[in-house]
Amino acid sequence: DIVMTQTPLSSPVTLGQPASISCRSSQSLVHSNGNTYLSWLQQRPGQPPRLLIYRISHRFSGVPDRFSGSGAGTDFTLKISRVEAEDVGVYYCMQGTQFPLTFGPGTKVDIK
Amino acid sequence: EVQLLESGGGLVQRGGSLRLSCAASGFTFNTYAMSWVRQAPGKGLEWVSAISGNSDRTFYADSVKGRFTISRDNSKNTLYLQLSSLRDDDTAVYYCAKWGGGDFVPPFDYWGQGTLVTVSS
Repeated sequence: DIVMTQTPLSSPVTLGQPASISCRSSQSLVHSNGNTYLSWLQQRPGQPPRLLIYRISHRFSGVPDRFSGSGAGTDFTLKISRVEAEDVGVYYCMQGTQFPLTFGPGTKVDIK
Repeated sequence: EVQLLESGGGLVQRGGSLRLSCAASGFTFNTYAMSWVRQAPGKGLEWVSAISGNSDRTFYADSVKGRFTISRDNSKNTLYLQLSSLRDDDTAVYYCAKWGGGDFVPPFDYWGQGTLVTVSS
């Protein structure tokens, strides 16, 4: 199974300041078709997960452009350029390259 | 608008059974794979199972293989998860999720609100 790790696990941030979350996979997420199926999900308190970013860097419909994704192979990053109050929650990376699908442990983002 | 609405959760005894449903709308249901993902109280996300659009392929996490069965009824736009031989560690909110690109092409682009399954002795 592909193991997903995230750092940090907790990230207190100041409103308006940037935040960055790293995600690492235990093996390359490049699929045989050439795509890299790494997604980022946001889960606000009491809510279901919501897709933010797919295939490393593609923002999903309706996602603000302050969210961006980057990386390749086994190392990936989610950046929030200026944190807003509505960004509080837990962020998960997820690999969809091979079964079983696996998630990172989550990074809790809250306001200082 | 894509909507996924889970139902069927509740309190069940250890060793018991339960069937979850997920009613889908707002997209052509039979052309997309679907999955179940669960989240134990206060914990992270765990993928449980997946099924192709025409039900010819299914996949399961090792933790549920042989105990859970995923199925779908495309005439009713509904996804199911049959849970049996339930254990304490199956206690979780169960989410249904739609695959974004058709059959097993990630990501999970839409998620339901979830249904809580509590296993007690």
